[in-house]
Amino acid sequence: ETGVTQTPRHLVMGMTNKKSLKCEQHLGHNAMYWYKQSAKKPLELMFVYNFKEQTENNSVPSRFSPECPNSSHLFLHLHTLQPEDSALYLCASSQGGVHEQYFGPGTRLTVT
Amino acid sequence: AQSVAQPEDQVNVAEGNPLTVKCTYSVSGNPYLFWYVQYPNRGLQFLLKYITGDNLVKGSYGFEAEFNKSQTSFHLKKPSALVSDSALYFCAVYTGGFKTIFGAGTRLFVKA
Repeated sequence: ETGVTQTPRHLVMGMTNKKSLKCEQHLGHNAMYWYKQSAKKPLELMFVYNFKEQTENNSVPSRFSPECPNSSHLFLHLHTLQPEDSALYLCASSQGGVHEQYFGPGTRLTVT
Repeated sequence: AQSVAQPEDQVNVAEGNPLTVKCTYSVSGNPYLFWYVQYPNRGLQFLLKYITGDNLVKGSYGFEAEFNKSQTSFHLKKPSALVSDSALYFCAVYTGGFKTIFGAGTRLFVKA
């Protein structure tokens, strides 16, 4: 899993806090993704960037704000979250959309 | 509608016995199919994929999957299960652009 790294691994935040999740890929891929994984639910695609340009936004609430400064880095800025936003947030990268994705270890987010 | 289904929440198998984790899909056009595995507190790891060609695809850790177009299935198999194979397995189908749909996951439990 050193190909895709995520920090922090665990995050506890209050509903009024602002925090950011960071993802970095060392694979030379052009596409990067944010997913939300909740218990007993399928993986939910949140955002996709291809060569730093956002290509997908799956009706994600505005309290989640992505940023992709270059093809290797992806951020997810969080503000005024709700308890139901507690989940594992996974970052992934791929060489194009049709190819397999490589995932980071995830950030376990708890909103109190 | 494009979808992927994993009909079993959990599969139990004894160590040394063959295992099968089921997956069916619905997609327009030629399917691009994937299997991923997730160990506790880790991200998803790519196991294998079917793009075209031989219906039997071999992947990592001794796993293989059989593509069956008439039954729209892509079941994951392994001839002899190991306790270390116990994990959460996801089937996924590429649906176009940068979108891949993941199944809800099947938990595999291998008993010693």
